[in-house]
Amino acid sequence: TQLLEQSPQFLSIQEGENLTVYCNSSSVFSSLQWYRQEPGEGPVLLVTVVTGGEVKKLKRLTFQFGDARKDSSLHITAAQPGDTGLYLCALLSLHGSSNTGKLIFGQGTTLQVKP
Amino acid sequence: KAGVTQTPRYLIKTRGQQVTLSCSPISGHRSVSWYQQTPGQGLQFLFEYFSETQRNKGNFPGRFSGRQFSNSRSEMNVSTLELGDSALYLCASSFSSTAVNSPLHFGNGTRLTVT
Repeated sequence: TQLLEQSPQFLSIQEGENLTVYCNSSSVFSSLQWYRQEPGEGPVLLVTVVTGGEVKKLKRLTFQFGDARKDSSLHITAAQPGDTGLYLCALLSLHGSSNTGKLIFGQGTTLQVKP
Repeated sequence: KAGVTQTPRYLIKTRGQQVTLSCSPISGHRSVSWYQQTPGQGLQFLFEYFSETQRNKGNFPGRFSGRQFSNSRSEMNVSTLELGDSALYLCASSFSSTAVNSPLHFGNGTRLTVT
């Protein structure tokens, strides 16, 4: 079974600081998704990365997919209290030879941004 | 456009009882997936239904079952509840079966507490 490891598990920073969250796998994955989950709510998809070396930006969030497609990172610039939440990476584990499957999630990184 | 609706939001049950959770997907979405979220195990896939058929199943005991109706609404049932079943149960819908090009939209979950 392909597993995802996220680090760090917890992160508490001051508003305005930068941070990076990592997601690693021992196996190559075809695509990776990043979600943010706020307390009392379900996860919300932020981005999907598919191509090795791919970089995607979403305002102050930068997502990178490793060249070997075994790791990914999420970098937040000038964090704000509204960025507080649980950040989850997930890979699509395909079912048999089909192009559909299930998501396997990492354990998540809990981010707290203090004003 | 209404999001994924899960009912009830909170539920308290006693060991040995059974429970049924409900999920209404986004209009037009034909796939519904269920996930269990706990502090120790994180988010784990339970099963996926598409057009009333179970497409994929996770590694959970037979006490966990589900079904999907012709209007794509889904229910999940847990019988003979155990303390370890206490968790946030999340439902997610997508236009077609879970795939890179068919992202998941999560509901806000049902918080089940077993005493």
